[in-house]
This record gives sequence, C-alpha cells and structure tokens, in this order.
Amino acid sequence: GAGVSQSPRYKVAKRGQDVALRCDPISGHVSLFWYQQALGQGPEFLTYFQNEAQLDKSGLPSDRFFAERPEGSVSTLKIQRTQQEDSAVYLCASSGGSRPLNEQFFGPGTRLTVL
Amino acid sequence: QKEVEQNSGPLSVPEGAIASLNCTYSDRGSQSFFWYRQYSGKSPELIMFIYSNGDKEDGRFTAQLNKASQYVSLLIRDSQPSDSATYLCAVSLGGGADGLTFGKGTHLIIQP
Repeated sequence: GAGVSQSPRYKVAKRGQDVALRCDPISGHVSLFWYQQALGQGPEFLTYFQNEAQLDKSGLPSDRFFAERPEGSVSTLKIQRTQQEDSAVYLCASSGGSRPLNEQFFGPGTRLTVL
Repeated sequence: QKEVEQNSGPLSVPEGAIASLNCTYSDRGSQSFFWYRQYSGKSPELIMFIYSNGDKEDGRFTAQLNKASQYVSLLIRDSQPSDSATYLCAVSLGGGADGLTFGKGTHLIIQP
C-alpha cells in the first residue's frame, strides 16, 4: 500500500468492552510503533516492534493494553475492559529503519470513544 | 523521565512574517529531534529533523538545535495560511528507531 492504514477509523465502545485496533504498516517496514493521542495533547508512545519482536512496551498504561505483531507485518492493539480514560486517537507509525533518519510515517489513526 | 515542553499557544502570526516555534527537552541523552505538523483531525507528518548543533534549512523551514541549552526551535519564513496547524516537537534517544517523546504541540495561526 501507499501508506500506513488503520482500521477501524472510528470505534465506539461501552465501558468494559474489549476492542481490537488494527495497523497495516508500509510494506517492508521493519519497525512499527503505537501511540495514544488524547484531545489537545501530543502523541504518547505506547509500544514498539522490530519485525515480530516487541522491543519496548514501557508506554502501555496498564495490563489491559496488549499489542502483537505475530508475522512481523500487521499489528493489533487490544484493549480489554475499556475505561472512559482510554478514549483517544490511537496512532500507528512504521519506519523502514534506514539510517541516519528512521522517519516514522503515521497512519490516519483510530478514534476510540468509550461511553 | 523524558519531557518535552512547548508553549501550547495559540501563536498568531501575520501572513508573510516569520513564525518562531520553540521546544525544550529534559533528557540530555536525546540524540535526534523532529518537528511534525498536524492539521486538525489528521495524523502528524514530518517536516524537519536535526541531529547536530546549529541550523538546518529546508525551503521556508529552519530548524535550530542547541544541545547545551536543551533547546530546539523551528522557524517558518514567509508564513502562509496553509501553515496554520499544530506543530509537534519530538525527541528520540536513538536515531528515531525508538519511540518518540512528543511535546503537547504549539497551535499556529497565520492571519491573512
């Protein structure tokens, strides 16, 4: 594909429901990142994959958040037992890993609203 | 804890003038610095990056880095209404191959 794609673009969940957000990175990109952007804030790092390996998950806010990238391509961010504070835009970015600049290309995001 | 600070604005600049956006960061180990532009409802897009102290120019944009003062800035010359957006400063401990730490962003308004 031409860019990073994410689905769904919008998700409304009732508090307590589980949600799964999908990211399709740019073809061939080794690195994949998830960020959470609350309204009026900058993106906050959640987790990072290099191929299928999750190298950093220090930004995941709680054990309700789980991410995977089993085949080193598509990634899924899962949020269990959603809470109102989880309402945000979830951004996925991918990078080809070329030095010196590992430019991260962002997808359009998934806007999650928890009622 | 890594922190990136920006004035949230709004910063209002007349069309054709120079817009100056500033950013400070807390982690002296930061190696790479990025400026992203984000239009309302859209995702961030990279407009400038800088690694070394000094100035880096690209068209109407100039990024400035002062590692001793832990300060990064972005200048936009000949500002256009299409430059109106939120500008996000981001830093990386590596070469961008790790998660970026973003500031809250500065909302820039270019007045026609």
